[in-house]
Amino acid sequence: QSVLTQPPSASGTPGQRVTISCSGSTSNIGAHAVNWYQQLPGTAPKLLIYNGNQRPSGVPDRFSGSKSGTSASLAISGLQSADEGDYYCAAWDDGLNVVLFGGGTKLTVL
Amino acid sequence: QVELQQWGAGLLKPSETLSLTCAVYGGSLTGYFWSWIRQPPGKGLEWIGEVSHRGNTNYNPSLKSRVTILVDTSENHFSLKLTSVTSADTAVYYCARGRPQPAYSFIFDYWGQGTLTTVSS
Repeated sequence: QSVLTQPPSASGTPGQRVTISCSGSTSNIGAHAVNWYQQLPGTAPKLLIYNGNQRPSGVPDRFSGSKSGTSASLAISGLQSADEGDYYCAAWDDGLNVVLFGGGTKLTVL
Repeated sequence: QVELQQWGAGLLKPSETLSLTCAVYGGSLTGYFWSWIRQPPGKGLEWIGEVSHRGNTNYNPSLKSRVTILVDTSENHFSLKLTSVTSADTAVYYCARGRPQPAYSFIFDYWGQGTLTTVSS
């Protein structure tokens, strides 16, 4: 059971908008930046969103992040089959003194 | 373009020591934090710890007693040692670069390709 809680799965059809949530607490999401990672099948994770809503160079603006209180969200618009994979949120936790990752959300494009 | 290439033993017996190395190409160790992160088969990600270019370390408390992360600036690489391994340590191990700012942001912007290490008798 991860301290950062994500839904285990999400799905949508091509072109749709999907949102993935990440719920934490005041010692992690409530206190620090949230980062999101995309892991496509058989590959290493890739930084997708950092500091809550910033995109690294090369990440399309179809991906966006937001944070409110102790929860964060990743939104993917214009869903594509190439987006299928696992998505992880992450944040530092002041109480546990560790970088926490959410349990991951498996995105399926129907 | 920064690239992280990692290597190490793929099969260990219980009680042995896991040893992995991650070389940094196209960039310097200076000014960044260098982490190890693992992923058991079919499971999520777990942060193991980090080292700065100066050799300052920060470990996951759950693994701290068994982990050592070292940096070698002359060779531009860093390494992971995990002692007394068990089957629970079977995982794909990744090295990653962490940005220094903002503090406690732990933005992992470059990752190694991953190394599967299996612990089995």
